[in-house]
Amino acid sequence: NAGVMQNPRHLVRRRGQEARLRCSPMKGHSHVYWYRQLPEEGLKFMVYLQKENIIDESGMPKERFSAEFPKEGPSILRIQQVVRGDSAAYFCASSQFDLSSTDTQYFGPGTRLTVL
Amino acid sequence: AQKITQTQPGMFVQEKEAVTLDCTYDTSDQSYGLFWYKQPSSGEMIFLIYQGSYDEQNATEGRYSLNFQKARKSANLVISASQLGDSAMYFCAMREGRSGGSNYKLTFGKGTLLTVNP
Repeated sequence: NAGVMQNPRHLVRRRGQEARLRCSPMKGHSHVYWYRQLPEEGLKFMVYLQKENIIDESGMPKERFSAEFPKEGPSILRIQQVVRGDSAAYFCASSQFDLSSTDTQYFGPGTRLTVL
Repeated sequence: AQKITQTQPGMFVQEKEAVTLDCTYDTSDQSYGLFWYKQPSSGEMIFLIYQGSYDEQNATEGRYSLNFQKARKSANLVISASQLGDSAMYFCAMREGRSGGSNYKLTFGKGTLLTVNP
């Protein structure tokens, strides 16, 4: 009965490298959300995906960031050419999206990205 | 304007006592959802409780209850019989728009750090 799974839990990258963060939603959930948490802050929405579709990426920086949720496999948040300001905790959440549910988003444990 | 305001950066409570964590929200939507999440020092985000804007009764989940005052736009979390394990950051969040609709983003407050003293 796995919840939302994220890996890695901790990721260290040097400036200019790429970071790939993975998220597997809860069983039965087909909607994935990514949020970023900067130190001492609440979470900020980045992107919402369904299988093979990006529904809303309005919270994602226009450059260097991309996300996907392929038909098979986990959702990936990719950050190219990382900078120090990308250091944060990145959370993935999933939900079961139907009219009878509350659309509660259940979160994974997060990936803590540190850029040196 | 902040959509979610948590005015208490930190709160202290004695073990076994009740504590209320404040949350006020700002929306012009008639339909919305309010959520509370707990973030312990280990970092994960744990869903605690949900209140829909049309729910007539305050939500309860075990020792957690939500004091929903719609006219005042407040959704305070009440934790009864505090335990040492309740020490954590607590975040209030809102989803504007109806469940199952086109709105899904959660907007979070900045959180309240609760410390339970033995």
